[in-house]
Amino acid sequence: AQKVTQAQTEISVVEKEDVTLDCVYETRDTTYYLFWYKQPPSGELVFLIRRNSFDEQNEISGRYSWNFQKSTSSFNFTITASQVVDSAVYFCALSEAYYGGSQGNLIFGKGTKLSVKP
Amino acid sequence: NAGVTQTPKFRVLKTGQSMTLLCAQDMNHEYMYWYRQDPGMGLRLIHYSVGAGITDQGEVPNGYNVSRSTTEDFPLRLLSAAPSQTSVYFCASRTRQGPNTGELFFGEGSRLTVL
Repeated sequence: AQKVTQAQTEISVVEKEDVTLDCVYETRDTTYYLFWYKQPPSGELVFLIRRNSFDEQNEISGRYSWNFQKSTSSFNFTITASQVVDSAVYFCALSEAYYGGSQGNLIFGKGTKLSVKP
Repeated sequence: NAGVTQTPKFRVLKTGQSMTLLCAQDMNHEYMYWYRQDPGMGLRLIHYSVGAGITDQGEVPNGYNVSRSTTEDFPLRLLSAAPSQTSVYFCASRTRQGPNTGELFFGEGSRLTVL
């Protein structure tokens, strides 16, 4: 069975600090996809990144970076020089491959609430 | 661009009442989903559809019905509301093919309170 664990329920940092949000996943599939979504206080869900299981390269997008390590089944998310606008709940998600009989449903972790204080 | 539109955004029900949450998408996405979000529980899949006329259960389907008569619409029905169904409901869709497959497009959510 698939599972996504975000062990950090809440994190509080001061602006300009770096912060890493942890995500550990379980799956028996060899082909799968990992995602991060952001939910700001306004409530909408915003897609941040998708990574497939064959691509272990780390990704950087501005102040955001993602570290995918298959050996530890982790897909961690780092915000460098955090800002107040980064305050949100962040969800990690996993989906199985989209071929054969698989429907590719996303399974979400329980989320990490990040508070960035000025 | 409308994307995924959910109505209503807020609703208060009494126990035992029925209601339908509406969801419409204009992106011609094959797959559509209903999730509920509860504090500390993340998003849990209620029902999903892989195309018109095809629906299936997710993780927490009890108390909910869905149908998919068109590609665009995926309503969620609560037949007899219970306080345990107090939650925020999100509809989402995604395309089945192409480089962006897998990315879910979410509606703004519907906050439902059952008294």
